[in-house]
Amino acid sequence: AQSVTQPDARVTVSEGASLQLRCKYSYSATPYLFWYVQYPRQGLQLLLKYYSGDPVVQGVNGFEAEFSKSNSSFHLRKASVHWSDSAVYFCAVSRGYAQGLTFGLGTRVSVFP
Amino acid sequence: EAAVTQSPRNKVAVTGGKVTLSCNQTNNHNNMYWYRQDTGHGLRLIHYSYGAGSTEKGDIPDGYKASRPSQENFSLILELATPSQTSVYFCASGDAGGGNSDYTFGSGTRLLVI
Repeated sequence: AQSVTQPDARVTVSEGASLQLRCKYSYSATPYLFWYVQYPRQGLQLLLKYYSGDPVVQGVNGFEAEFSKSNSSFHLRKASVHWSDSAVYFCAVSRGYAQGLTFGLGTRVSVFP
Repeated sequence: EAAVTQSPRNKVAVTGGKVTLSCNQTNNHNNMYWYRQDTGHGLRLIHYSYGAGSTEKGDIPDGYKASRPSQENFSLILELATPSQTSVYFCASGDAGGGNSDYTFGSGTRLLVI
């Protein structure tokens, strides 16, 4: 069965600093991977997704992620964070054709001025 | 704009009562999903559907039923609500599946069972 591990429950960064959020997945076949962001009392919004090709994928608002098959990882990065990036970030892997997603527990990011 | 709309936004129910959570999508997606979100567990899949008339069990289906009467609507039903079902519930729709899938989430329903 597929699984997703986000080892950092909370991350605190200063505004303007870089950010990396870690994600490790377990999946027997070719993984389809996603990063979502959740702002307080809102639903999930897609940041980016990967299913093939260039292992570095670009997303919205300056986010990018790098897929590594050898490390079973899909880490999210942003070069310079803004206070508005404070949110919870979820990594997810496809469960199989049209069967939805399996999510990690999320990482809460707090950006301080 | 294509969207997923959940109702109600907030719900207080009594233990043993019946609760129905509704979801409507205008994305014309075949697939729909119900998740619950709890601290320490992230989002977990309860039920999903491939289209009108179909429902499938996810990872935690016990205590829940689902109904997909049309392409647009997908309901989650708690026949006998229990306090352990207090949670935030998210509905999502998804297109054909595979790596190019797009999933759109609703804003959630906060359910408190007392």
